[in-house]
Amino acid sequence: GAVVSQHPSRVICKSGTSVKIECRSLDFQATTMFWYRQFPKQSLMLMATSNEGSKATYEQGVEKDKFLINHASLTLSTLTVTSAHPEDSSFYICSASLGYTEAFFGQGTRLTVV
Amino acid sequence: GESVGLHLPTLSVQEGDNSIINCAYSNSASDYFIWYKQESGKGPQFIIDIRSNMDKRQGQRVTVLLNKTVKHLSLQIAATQPGDSAVYFCAETSDNAGNMLTFGGGTRLMVKP
Repeated sequence: GAVVSQHPSRVICKSGTSVKIECRSLDFQATTMFWYRQFPKQSLMLMATSNEGSKATYEQGVEKDKFLINHASLTLSTLTVTSAHPEDSSFYICSASLGYTEAFFGQGTRLTVV
Repeated sequence: GESVGLHLPTLSVQEGDNSIINCAYSNSASDYFIWYKQESGKGPQFIIDIRSNMDKRQGQRVTVLLNKTVKHLSLQIAATQPGDSAVYFCAETSDNAGNMLTFGGGTRLMVKP
């Protein structure tokens, strides 16, 4: 199946710094990618929809200035957590779709803000 | 708003037994459903899917059942193995959702040797 690569898998950063997470579709072009956040023992919560060449669509309650999304090419979307704080510590997962329904997920990024 | 939810947060089964994980959804417009398996620290892995024009679909050791009347989805795992231990999520989408998935709460499956 299609492969989505997410990097880094783990990152620890100091409070107040920014962290960039990359999501790449390795063997297909994805016009749409999705970013999710997952707290321990909870389900994935959609943060935003990333569309190539246009602004991302954020879910209600997600600060777009806090979580910057860039989808500059058909194979790469990035999520930047700006001025990170401990409450931003979480597991972030991206997904990319081949078509209407099939979604492939990255391995996830464990962000710890200290 | 619309949501997808699960009845049981944790399911413990004996190795070799069959497992059944349930999911209720509320969006009657949903027409495509997927089960994902998520191991600790990893992203979700696709297990099996089903479209709303079907009520049953079988894969290797897994079967998904869809009851549109009561908006219920289940995942059956035959001869459960220790490697099946994970959290299982159902997800749904609809024709006008633009590939956007809505996830259920998740069920942790624990397989006892």
